[in-house]
Amino acid sequence: DAGVIQSPRHEVTEMGQEVTLRCKPISGHDYLFWYRQTMMRGLELLIYFNNNVPIDDSGMPEDRFSAKMPNASFSTLKIQPSEPRDSAVYFCASSLRINYGYTFGSGTRLTVV
Amino acid sequence: SQKIEQNSEALNIQEGKTATLTCNYTNYSPAYLQWYRQDPGRGPVFLLLIRENEKEKRKERLKVTFDTTLKQSLFHITASQPADSATYLCALGREAAGNKLTFGGGTRVLVKP
Repeated sequence: DAGVIQSPRHEVTEMGQEVTLRCKPISGHDYLFWYRQTMMRGLELLIYFNNNVPIDDSGMPEDRFSAKMPNASFSTLKIQPSEPRDSAVYFCASSLRINYGYTFGSGTRLTVV
Repeated sequence: SQKIEQNSEALNIQEGKTATLTCNYTNYSPAYLQWYRQDPGRGPVFLLLIRENEKEKRKERLKVTFDTTLKQSLFHITASQPADSATYLCALGREAAGNKLTFGGGTRVLVKP
């Protein structure tokens, strides 16, 4: 398995533009997580899915953020409109079962100018 | 509020020695605790999971302890090598909170030859 695949690796966009981050989890993993990492706040959970259903989105900063998982092999995180404070590394992770370790992707480094 | 504390200062250690990292938590009753390694520009990599009813877990040169009375986990790297240099993150989870993990800020380890 190629692991969790995220795209793009880097994204630079102007304030106000829409940004879409993509994730392909490991096949057979029931859980998918979106995290954001910054120096100041560390790794923060944004949202997670179980069997493609959003379970907890309490970490989503505001309505500008949305996430979908249309099928077991694909998820997106969208920011519209983007702001400079959204600049961070966004990680997608998947997990086989509850209480199992997570497999993280390589992340998307987002810079909003 | 829940708090997970890891030493934010880097740990510098001589090759061959044992590195010991601490993870303390407050206002939290985790069912399990996980440790991850993160290299610069990469996503975290799962290392070990220990449950609340387990005192100690080992994997090769790694050892984790979990003391729910002290609300603390210790992570040991024995016979450390320069290749062990990385940031190490602890993360706590509870079944009642689904399978979502809350991460500490991480401790950077630098093993000098």
